[in-house]
This record gives sequence, structure tokens and C-alpha cells, in this order.
Amino acid sequence: GQNIDQPTEMTATEGAIVQINCTYQTSGFNGLFWYQQHAGEAPTFLSYNVLDGLEEKGRFSSFLSRSKGYSYLLLKELQMKDSASYLCAVRDSNYQLIWGAGTKLIIKP
Amino acid sequence: IAGITQAPTSQILAAGRRMTLRCTQDMRHNAMYWYRQDLGLGLRLIHYSNTAGTTGKGEVPDGYSVSRANTDDFPLTLASAVPSQTSVYFCATGTGDTGELFFGEGSRLTVL
Repeated sequence: GQNIDQPTEMTATEGAIVQINCTYQTSGFNGLFWYQQHAGEAPTFLSYNVLDGLEEKGRFSSFLSRSKGYSYLLLKELQMKDSASYLCAVRDSNYQLIWGAGTKLIIKP
Repeated sequence: IAGITQAPTSQILAAGRRMTLRCTQDMRHNAMYWYRQDLGLGLRLIHYSNTAGTTGKGEVPDGYSVSRANTDDFPLTLASAVPSQTSVYFCATGTGDTGELFFGEGSRLTVL
């Protein structure tokens, strides 16, 4: 079966750095996505990786290793507004997205 | 309209009733999707449409139907609601390039 694993919850301190991991087992691979979802709101797109390596976008970076079935989202200089759930999703061989359950990130002052 | 609009925002429904969740986009995207989101589970695809006039079944299609008469509208119908369909429903569109999805604000449905 297809599976996306990510931690259920993480806690970090304002101003610090946090890394959210995602491991996947899917039928084929056509890209990995990270979305941010604030409580009670819709998910919004953060990043897309299709090749191995690091993609940097401001305070957020996303890394992919296809051979290991592994990705992480790195958030730097954490702000209180970064408190949200972070969803990892993989596009499979049928170009359908398989979603992880999300990681709830709690930022403390 | 800006982006994707869903209606209603929330609804409480008696079991056995018929319900249609509306989704309208003005982004002119070909692909549209309906997901449900339940606590502790990832987003699960109910139905999708790659272009007007075509639809397909996702991971959890039973009890739901969709239509795609034109590019902008993609309604989701529950023919006879059951309590297990209590969930938050998200409509989304996709560009087909990177595959980035744009989500509506969600419809919170409670079936009693």
C-alpha cells in the first residue's frame, strides 16, 4: 500500500529552527509537496520537489532524497504565525496526490 | 469571485437527507478535486475531474457523486447522508504544471 509518515506534533521556540520529516512509500513518484494549514483554514502551497536536493524559499527550505523515500521541511527564524499543521504529499505514478496526516507545529515564545 | 468559492461554509444535516456542496472557481483551471479531511488522517480524494465533461473516482468515492458541466463548477452530492460523512470537505483546483493545488475555504458538514 501507499504510505506517507510524518510526526503528529512538534514543539519549537520562537526564533529557532525546526525540521519536519516525511518518509514515503508510494507506487511511483512524480514529485513531493509541502503545504501549510492553519487551524480552521485551507491548506496553502509551500514547496515542490521533484529532483534530489534542497529547494530554498525565504525562511522555508525543502529537501528530497528519492532513493531514501525521504523529505524534510526546514523552517528558520520561527515566528508565532508559523504555528500550523504542515502536510506532506507525494504524487504517485497515476499523478494522484497521496497525503500524510500532517504535523502540528506549536511555536512557544 | 476570487479563486475558489465553496458553499455552504458549514451545515448540520439529518441522516438520510440529500446534500450538495457547491464549488466554483474563476481561475480557469482544468483540474478540480474534492477531498475530505478527518482528524488524524490525511486528505482523502473523493472525486476528481481533469477537464469539463469528465470525472473520476478517488480513494473514497462511495456515497458521493460529482458532475462537471463546465470549467467553473464542480458540485459534490451526498445522495443519502450518513454520520460517517461528517467531515470537512475541501474543493481544490490544479494548474497541471507543478501540480500545485489551490483550495477553497472548506465546508464543515455534520450528519446527525
